[in-house]
Amino acid sequence: GQQVMQIPQYQHVQEGEDFTTYCNSSTTLSNIQWYKQRPGGHPVFLIQLVKSGEVKKQKRLTFQFGEAKKNSSLHITATQTTDVGTYFCAGDGATNKLIFGTGTLLAVQP
Amino acid sequence: DGGITQSPKYLFRKEGQNVTLSCEQNLNHDAMYWYRQDPGQGLRLIYYSQIVNDFQKGDIAEGYSVSREKKESFPLTVTSAQKNPTAFYLCASSSLGTSGANVLTFGAGSRLTVL
Repeated sequence: GQQVMQIPQYQHVQEGEDFTTYCNSSTTLSNIQWYKQRPGGHPVFLIQLVKSGEVKKQKRLTFQFGEAKKNSSLHITATQTTDVGTYFCAGDGATNKLIFGTGTLLAVQP
Repeated sequence: DGGITQSPKYLFRKEGQNVTLSCEQNLNHDAMYWYRQDPGQGLRLIYYSQIVNDFQKGDIAEGYSVSREKKESFPLTVTSAQKNPTAFYLCASSSLGTSGANVLTFGAGSRLTVL
């Protein structure tokens, strides 16, 4: 079945360093979404990418959808302690259901 | 305020007991979902419903049951047949559009512990 993998599983950075998480699907996706889950909280929608090669920015966050629509990345510039949490990608494939990635836990040391 | 309300937030259960988790939304969303989250893992889909009185199994439906008698409500029952029920359960909803999967709004979750 369709699988969505994320790497790394865990990342620890110093405040001010950059951070990137990668998402890879076993099948072509019609779109990809990103969610953030703060410790003890619930996932909150960040963004959706639909077009091949699409790049979107939200302040210090840059999201990219691969040309083949099978991978995506989230890059955070100059991390802050408020960026702490688990970042999930979620892909919509052939089943028309969202399949969530395994998530990347980001820890930021002040 | 519009949103999704899950209850209870914390629940303890003895082995062999069924428990029902409540999920109510006032977003007028057509679709509702139940996910299970285990430590260090992603979200796995248990059941989903796109219309009242209809629902489909997700990837890990065994040991769970749902109902969708009202648009606003999608309760999940964790039965005694579920072998490892201790987990964090998340309810979500979305509107249905023409672009495939839609944006999910999640509730705050219910943490179930089996003693």
